[in-house]
Amino acid sequence: GAGVSQTPSNKVTEKGKYVELRCDPISGHTALYWYRQSLGQGPEFLIYFQGTGAADDSGLPNDRFFAVRPEGSVSTLKIQRTERGDSAVYLCASSEQGGDEQFFGPGTRLTVL
Amino acid sequence: AQSVTQLGSHVSVSEGALVLLRCNYSSSVPPYLFWYVQYPNQGLQLLLKYTSAATLVKGINGFEAEFKKSETSFHLTKPSAHMSDAAEYFCAVSDQGGYNKLIFGAGTRLAVHP
Repeated sequence: GAGVSQTPSNKVTEKGKYVELRCDPISGHTALYWYRQSLGQGPEFLIYFQGTGAADDSGLPNDRFFAVRPEGSVSTLKIQRTERGDSAVYLCASSEQGGDEQFFGPGTRLTVL
Repeated sequence: AQSVTQLGSHVSVSEGALVLLRCNYSSSVPPYLFWYVQYPNQGLQLLLKYTSAATLVKGINGFEAEFKKSETSFHLTKPSAHMSDAAEYFCAVSDQGGYNKLIFGAGTRLAVHP
């Protein structure tokens, strides 16, 4: 079956602009995660959804970052007033209820000029 | 708080040689441990996982890892490296299996030369 998909694959924006990154999880997976991977580092947790609700948003760096999952499937990560330091690869993962494995998408590479 | 330390940001081996990638973790609760591999321009792929069953875990592509509680380690090994093993490897820890956030190490880039 289809894996986790993320769009766009690449996004270039200017400092101060607003961006939205989309994640389509594996069908039927109830848990969805967002991570951020900066150059030369491991992925860093941002937020975790169980169904439609954010069960853990402790990794969001500040209030410019927000994520939604209104119907418990697709999720959108929203970044306001982007800064050059937001440049990174944003990864999405999903897992089935009770599962111990997260399946990762290919990521969205965000570049803020 | 949980954390992961991967010793050696770059490891280089000859084709056919033993691969050893080191991972030490810190956790206040029994951990679930994972190794992921990331090939260039691709997503993370699970190699293997430890979920409190057998301490020696076998994964895909001939890799295996041993959970050693006394050493708080989960090192990844492969007896004989292949050119196709060249990639970035990440160790990760979770306190509730995959159903919770993963804490990743900084990664180890494995180079395999002829």
